[in-house]
Amino acid sequence: GAVVSQHPSWVICKSGTSVKIECRSLDFQATTMFWYRQFPKQSLMLMATSNEGSKATYEQGVEKDKFLINHASLTLSTLTVTSAHPEDSSFYICSARPYNTEAFFGQGTRLTVV
Amino acid sequence: QQPVQSPQAVILREGEDAVINCSSSKALYSVHWYRQKHGEAPVFLMILLKGGEQKGHEKISASFNEKKQQSSLYLTASQLSYSGTYFCGTENGAGSYQLTFGKGTKLSVIP
Repeated sequence: GAVVSQHPSWVICKSGTSVKIECRSLDFQATTMFWYRQFPKQSLMLMATSNEGSKATYEQGVEKDKFLINHASLTLSTLTVTSAHPEDSSFYICSARPYNTEAFFGQGTRLTVV
Repeated sequence: QQPVQSPQAVILREGEDAVINCSSSKALYSVHWYRQKHGEAPVFLMILLKGGEQKGHEKISASFNEKKQQSSLYLTASQLSYSGTYFCGTENGAGSYQLTFGKGTKLSVIP
């Protein structure tokens, strides 16, 4: 199976600062990656689709200026939460479907904004 | 469109069986099943692509109805390790790659 590595696993930041989360495909090339957000005891909600070499596609209601996505190479997509606030605290997780079969998920990043 | 999952939660004793359902108002291209434990990434269980398909591995199996609007996950002779939240993820069209997840079913297996 494919391996997706997400870093960091957890981060605590102060309100108003920015946080970058990395998602790497270790043994395949990912032209598309997906970023999800999951609040406690809730479902995985798709935030955006990251496309290598082009702009990300954001889901309705997701602020693209706040959640910056960069997919500059075939193995790395990054999500930057800008000017983070406590309500941004959540579990962020990336995934890829390199073979158009199952989704392979990163380990997830627990963001806590204090 | 988010698929509808039921039940929201279920408690089983070891050895008991459970069924989790996932339904959509429109025909789907595929349905995926994942299990997630607290604080961890979802783990893939299986994918169904064809109407009328049934597949399984050991004591976990799933079906996809002929109209491709409804899928069920069957857990038989449950084990403690089956505890977690089960999500179905649906794909609306070929090549969309995008999965939309249901709200999840929390399964608790107790001794």
